[in-house]
Amino acid sequence: QQQVKQSPQSLIVQKGGISIINCAYENTAFDYFPWYQQFPGKGPALLIAIRPDVSEKKEGRFTISFNKSAKQFSLHIMDSQPGDSATYFCAASMRSGSRLTFGEGTQLTVNP
Amino acid sequence: DTEVTQTPKHLVMGMTNKKSLKCEQHMGHRAMYWYKQKAKKPPELMFVYSYEKLSINESVPSRFSPECPNSSLLNLHLHALQPEDSALYLCASSQEPDTSTDTQYFGPGTRLTVL
Repeated sequence: QQQVKQSPQSLIVQKGGISIINCAYENTAFDYFPWYQQFPGKGPALLIAIRPDVSEKKEGRFTISFNKSAKQFSLHIMDSQPGDSATYFCAASMRSGSRLTFGEGTQLTVNP
Repeated sequence: DTEVTQTPKHLVMGMTNKKSLKCEQHMGHRAMYWYKQKAKKPPELMFVYSYEKLSINESVPSRFSPECPNSSLLNLHLHALQPEDSALYLCASSQEPDTSTDTQYFGPGTRLTVL
């Protein structure tokens, strides 16, 4: 119940295309869903986050879609750029807690 | 400034050595974390300090010993490590402990190699 399942494991997209990464969870006590971006040799950096009372959140080219009934959420990267090539982790945390449960990660490659 | 700094960037140690990893933040954050990350895997939580007190220990072997000397500093003391402990060790901090929406800011990590 603590797991967050992330797919795909790897993704190759052409420049200008849309990258879509999906995550699913079981534990309904999760109430905060951040996405982290990690470049090689660096620590993860918060990209965007959503609470379950919102179905969509957009920040620039990055959008989170959230489906509470299906217990799924996804990251959409519009107009993908080679500089977006990184590993993306979805995560979830529970009410009254700061422990993050991470998905397994998606390695995104954006070809020029 | 949302910077968490970690030293050293790289560390190579033998199994009989004693070494320490250091982490520092000056954002006034009251929660600090140690994570271990293996290649192509997500970070795994090791320890959480809340208001300078150890609040979570994820059953980490005693060869890893955390210390929080003050609200800005976090150390991880290493002793008698095994080769399988080789990994990227990440420090993170967040403003308010036990708040689910509190953003965790990660440092760049220390790449540890145990020979």
